[in-house]
Amino acid sequence: ETGVTQSPTHLIKTRGQQVTLRCSSQSGHNTVSWYQQALGQGPQFIFQYYREEENGRGNFPPRFSGLQFPNYSSELNVNALELDDSALYLCASSPSGRFYEQYFGPGTRLTVT
Amino acid sequence: KNEVEQSPQNLTAQEGEFITINCSYSVGISALHWLQQHPGGGIVSLFMLSSGKKKHGRLIATINIQEKHSSLHITASHPRDSAVYICAVWARDTGNQFYFGTGTSLTVIP
Repeated sequence: ETGVTQSPTHLIKTRGQQVTLRCSSQSGHNTVSWYQQALGQGPQFIFQYYREEENGRGNFPPRFSGLQFPNYSSELNVNALELDDSALYLCASSPSGRFYEQYFGPGTRLTVT
Repeated sequence: KNEVEQSPQNLTAQEGEFITINCSYSVGISALHWLQQHPGGGIVSLFMLSSGKKKHGRLIATINIQEKHSSLHITASHPRDSAVYICAVWARDTGNQFYFGTGTSLTVIP
C-alpha cells in the first residue's frame, strides 16, 4: 500500500509568482486535505477536497485554490505569492466518509523571497 | 482563543523519565489525533481517539470527552522520542475541519 506522497520536496519562489504543489493520496482514499504550517506554529487547515469538490475551507484568501482529479490526487495553487506564504505545506488523505482519519504526507517546504 | 490548547509548550526530560503532555479543546469533536513531527519533517499520526484509551509500545493516549481533555504519556522516554507532539481535533459542529494545537517540543537528554 502506497502512502501519501507530495512533490516537490522543497521549492523557492519569488514574491508575486504562482506555485503549484502536488499530492497523491493513499490508495483507496478519496479525500484530500491541505494544511499550511509556518515555522514554529501548528498546522492551519486550508481546505479539503472530497470526490473532486471542495468540502470545507479554512480562513485562507481566494488566491489559495485547489483541484482534485478523478484519481483523487490533488493540487494546491497559490497565486501572487507573499513572503508570509513561506511554510511547510502538508496534505493528508482520508478514506471515504472518514474525514477525521487522516494520513499525512511528508510536506513541501516553500520559501518565498 | 485557540480551539485547542496544549501544555507544556516545551519539555526537557532525562532518558527514562515518564512524560505527560496535555491537550484541552473547546469544540465538539468526532476524533482527536496525537501527531509527532521531527525537526524539518512531515507529520506522523500516533493515535486517533474518540473515547477511552489506546496504547502503542511505550506510548499511551487517553481522552475524556466530558471534560474535553486528552493526555499523551510516554513511558521510559528515550532520546529518539525528541520531537514536537501536536494535538489535533476533528471538529464536528463547526464545519468539518481539523483544529491543531501549537505543539509541545520534547527533548529527551541521554
